[in-house]
Amino acid sequence: DAGVTQSPTHLIKTRGQQVTLRCSPISGHKSVSWYQQVLGQGPQFIFQYYEKEERGRGNFPDRFSARQFPNYSSELNVNALLLGDSALYLCASNPTGPVYGYGYTFGSGTRLTVV
Amino acid sequence: SQELEQSPQSLIVQEGKNLTINCTSSKTLYGLYWYKQKYGEGLIFLMMLQKGGEEKSHEKITAKLDEKKQQSSLHITASQPSHAGIYLCGAPGENDYKLSFGAGTTVTVRA
Repeated sequence: DAGVTQSPTHLIKTRGQQVTLRCSPISGHKSVSWYQQVLGQGPQFIFQYYEKEERGRGNFPDRFSARQFPNYSSELNVNALLLGDSALYLCASNPTGPVYGYGYTFGSGTRLTVV
Repeated sequence: SQELEQSPQSLIVQEGKNLTINCTSSKTLYGLYWYKQKYGEGLIFLMMLQKGGEEKSHEKITAKLDEKKQQSSLHITASQPSHAGIYLCGAPGENDYKLSFGAGTTVTVRA
């Protein structure tokens, strides 16, 4: 079975541009979460979507947005890119959404570099 | 928000030796996840602990959760080069679904 897949794997963008990152959860998983991991730090929560609805948002500016599609895949959009947005963006899926007790499976991430 | 502090930040261990990583929370722990990460790659799920006093083992890795101390430990027995990487602990809030993570512990295994 395929795990959590993210695309693209690497991306280089210029300041001020916009970027879209994609995530496909494990088959049967209805929840997708997005995390940002800056070099040398632990991942920081950005969003969680469950059944196509936003269930939580971390402390990120409105430049960050996301959505979940009927097939439960998800996109993360970042507008007006800043140098500080350079990071590894991780997607995680789990079966049930905002219920603890089920493991979160992470994808391999998208490495975004803003120049 | 919940803060998780991991110690040590990094460690170097001789192959075959044991090592322990600690994860201490600023708030009550309602469970804890341990992940491993190779540099620049995704997180690999190791274990999930849900109850105080719970202990789980997988191959040579054992994790324990001490709710009273708001702490979890990860112990690796007879380390191997394959154990090298960054170990991250993550925990949800009381009525929360998002995970807060520690900064990670970098493990180097010397042959």
